[in-house]
Amino acid sequence: QSVLTQSPSASGTPGQRVSIFCSGSSSNIGTNFVNWYLQLPGTAPKLLIYENNQRPSGVPDRFSGSKSGTSASLDISGLRPEDEADYYCAAWDDDLSGPVFGGGTKLTV
Amino acid sequence: QVQLVQSGAEVKKPGASVRVSCKASGYSFTDYYIHWVRQAPGQGLEWMGWFNPNSGGTISAQNFQGRVTMTRDTSINTAYMDLKRLTSDDTAFYYCARGGSRMSLYPIRDAYDIWGQGTVVTVSS
Repeated sequence: QSVLTQSPSASGTPGQRVSIFCSGSSSNIGTNFVNWYLQLPGTAPKLLIYENNQRPSGVPDRFSGSKSGTSASLDISGLRPEDEADYYCAAWDDDLSGPVFGGGTKLTV
Repeated sequence: QVQLVQSGAEVKKPGASVRVSCKASGYSFTDYYIHWVRQAPGQGLEWMGWFNPNSGGTISAQNFQGRVTMTRDTSINTAYMDLKRLTSDDTAFYYCARGGSRMSLYPIRDAYDIWGQGTVVTVSS
């Protein structure tokens, strides 16, 4: 059972906009930054969004993140077939003194 | 380029120990924390602990305390993760990931911007 809660799956058609949600608590998302990772099938995770809404160099601006209270969301616009992957949210947890991850959302395009 | 390259696949028997290595290149190894994260088959990501290559300091997640040891060899820019008393539940991909810089305000809380390719560890009798 993951500390951060994500829907197991999401789907969309090419060109659409899709949102992936992540729910936590005051000890993690409520007081710390949220990061998002993308994991393509058979590969290592890759950083997609850090500090709630910052994109690392090379990540297209089709990907955006936001946070409100104890929840966060990842928005993907202009959906492409290559966006089909697992998406994980993560945040530091003050009570556990360590990072916690969501269970992952499998995006089908 | 900046990368982390991990050691190859391992097959171990229950009760044994395993060592996974993570060689850093393209940046100053001692300037960034290293985290270890594992992923069981079909499951999500589980944080195992962080390691400071500069000081050798380390903290492991509660689930792994007493079983995991994280070390490094700065002469070859390599971090190691040893996990002992393996059970079938330890069958997973093990990843090292680069965390925050020593110059960061809260380096252990920073995102992981570079990941190793992963090492599969299979525990089977």
